[in-house]
Amino acid sequence: KAGVTQTPRYLIKTRGQQVTLSCSPISGHRSVSWYQQTPGQGLQFLFEYFSETQRNKGNFPGRFSGRQFSNSRSEMNVSTLELGDSALYLCASSLASGDVDTQYFGPGTRLTVL
Amino acid sequence: GQNIDQPTEMTATEGAIVQINCTYQTSGFNGLFWYQQHAGEAPTFLSYNVLDGLEEKGRFSSFLSRSKGYSYLLLKELQMKDSASYLCAAMDSNYQLIWGAGTKLIIKP
Repeated sequence: KAGVTQTPRYLIKTRGQQVTLSCSPISGHRSVSWYQQTPGQGLQFLFEYFSETQRNKGNFPGRFSGRQFSNSRSEMNVSTLELGDSALYLCASSLASGDVDTQYFGPGTRLTVL
Repeated sequence: GQNIDQPTEMTATEGAIVQINCTYQTSGFNGLFWYQQHAGEAPTFLSYNVLDGLEEKGRFSSFLSRSKGYSYLLLKELQMKDSASYLCAAMDSNYQLIWGAGTKLIIKP
């Protein structure tokens, strides 16, 4: 079974631009969660989508948004990029939502904002 | 508030045993996860505990004490490939994972 895939793997953008990241979950998984990872900060939860609906949202500004499609693929968008948005963005998929379920991570997209 | 604490960095010798501790405070509790993350790679699932006690899986074991809000990951017969970050995450009453900052484990020959 193919794992979680994320595209692109690397991105370099400048301040003020916007970016869209993509995540394809494991086949059959309907929940996708997004995280931001920076050195020393651990994984910071951005949002979770299940059946095309946002179920949970972390404490990030409105510049961070996401969506999920009917095939469970998900995208996240960051508008008006800031230097502090430089990070590794990870997505994780699980079978369901609102239950104890193991999350499986993709390799991440490393975003650098100049 | 919700909080997870784990040491930032630990060093151990190849062939030895190391214990990585994690303490947590969450609103409700639905279990404790451990993940391994090699540099530049995705986190991979290691273990899940929801009941008190020790769960053994080969060279890796994980322990949970719900009354103390405490868990540890025990790695035996350390190998160089065990050099990685180890992430502790507690699941709260909303089934949300609260993550620690990770423990970087350095293995020396």
